[in-house]
Amino acid sequence: EAEVAQSPRYKITEKSQAVAFWCDPISGHATLYWYRQILGQGPELLVQFQDESVVDDSQLPKDRFSAERLKGVDSTLKIQPAELGDSAMYLCASSKLAVQGNEQFFGPGTRLTVL
Amino acid sequence: AQSVTQPDIHITVSEGASLELRCNYSYGATPYLFWYVQSPGQGLQLLLKYFSGDTLVQGIKGFEAEFKRSQSSFNLRKPSVHWSDAAEYFCAVGASRGSSASKIIFGSGTRLSIRP
Repeated sequence: EAEVAQSPRYKITEKSQAVAFWCDPISGHATLYWYRQILGQGPELLVQFQDESVVDDSQLPKDRFSAERLKGVDSTLKIQPAELGDSAMYLCASSKLAVQGNEQFFGPGTRLTVL
Repeated sequence: AQSVTQPDIHITVSEGASLELRCNYSYGATPYLFWYVQSPGQGLQLLLKYFSGDTLVQGIKGFEAEFKRSQSSFNLRKPSVHWSDAAEYFCAVGASRGSSASKIIFGSGTRLSIRP
């Protein structure tokens, strides 16, 4: 069964360092999402891609976060510099189409701890 | 703006007992509604979704949910829980405004514990 892959699964870093997360969506899925999930809360959308284009990054803290999906397949989310408040689970999801109701398939996430 | 409220942070149910998890939404029109489950350290899995039609929706793993427009609710139910149902459950509403037609807004979740 096809799955969304994410790496690393766990990342510990010190504040002011740079971190990067990688996501490989299900093959053929044009839409890719990055979510941040703070402990005890629901996921919050950071950025959405349609193929290689960003269609929604309204909640992405652009002073320190960046995301790319250069060839419209896999994607990288970067934080530079990391802050203590960035400690969270970072989830990647993909769907076939960017239409309401199209199921989003989630990866296992990357748990980030900033010391 | 769309929003989702899950009033119960943590619920404990005995194995074999029935379950109901509450969800209230705020949305101006007919909403798209979802229930997701998250096992510890894992990503989210879709249990069921409602778009239109029959207000009682059947999902995977024996779960169902009922859409009640008059109460702005979409509660999740299961007649008999199993120990493997222990997880975090998220209700979500589809957001149709803005550039992201498929954006989902999640509630804060309800953690379900199962008593042996």
